Amino acid sequence: DAGVTQSPTHLIKTRGQQVTLRCSPKSGHDTVSWYQQALGQGPQFIFQYYEEEERQRGNFPDRFSGHQFPNYSSELNVNALLLGDSALYLCASSGEGRGNTEAFFGQGTRLTVV
Amino acid sequence: AQKVTQAQTEISVVEKEDVTLDCVYETRDTTYYLFWYKQPPSGELVFLIRRNSFDEQNEISGRYSWNFQKSTSSFNFTITASQVVDSAVYFCAPSTYKYIFGTGTRLKVLA
Repeated sequence: DAGVTQSPTHLIKTRGQQVTLRCSPKSGHDTVSWYQQALGQGPQFIFQYYEEEERQRGNFPDRFSGHQFPNYSSELNVNALLLGDSALYLCASSGEGRGNTEAFFGQGTRLTVV
Repeated sequence: AQKVTQAQTEISVVEKEDVTLDCVYETRDTTYYLFWYKQPPSGELVFLIRRNSFDEQNEISGRYSWNFQKSTSSFNFTITASQVVDSAVYFCAPSTYKYIFGTGTRLKVLA
């Protein structure tokens, strides 16, 4: 059983560009959350998708947007990249338990903005 | 504000020693869950334990045990007989619909 898979693993982009990160949840999971982890920090919640809708959102600007597909996979889009967007982006999947079940995380996408 | 404080930035122990990781949290929620995750160098967060906020019974699971005290908002985690493979960054995280992570504690277990 494949766990959470994310692509690409690493990515280098230039300031002002746009990027799309992808996530396939663990089999049987229908909820996908995205986190941003800056170097030396803990992950910060970006948003959560359930039933193809954004259910909750953290304190991130509108440059960060997402999408969930009918097969529960998800994309994270970031527009007008800033140097400060350089981070590890983690995708987490869970069953629809609203925080009372453990989430499974992917290995992340390391985004570097130059 | 909702936040997590893991005051120990880095801990080094010798293999087979017991080690306790401290966690103090703040949350507005009256009902929530508490989690511990570890993050090895590969990057993914690995689930370790879960505790709900309305049951303060402390438990042991293999080499892991935890001490939850709601009155002091603390949720400490102990690894018994540490192993080199336990070396990682450990995060405590209260959760309702999202995890609130602190800055983590880096554990180094030396052979």
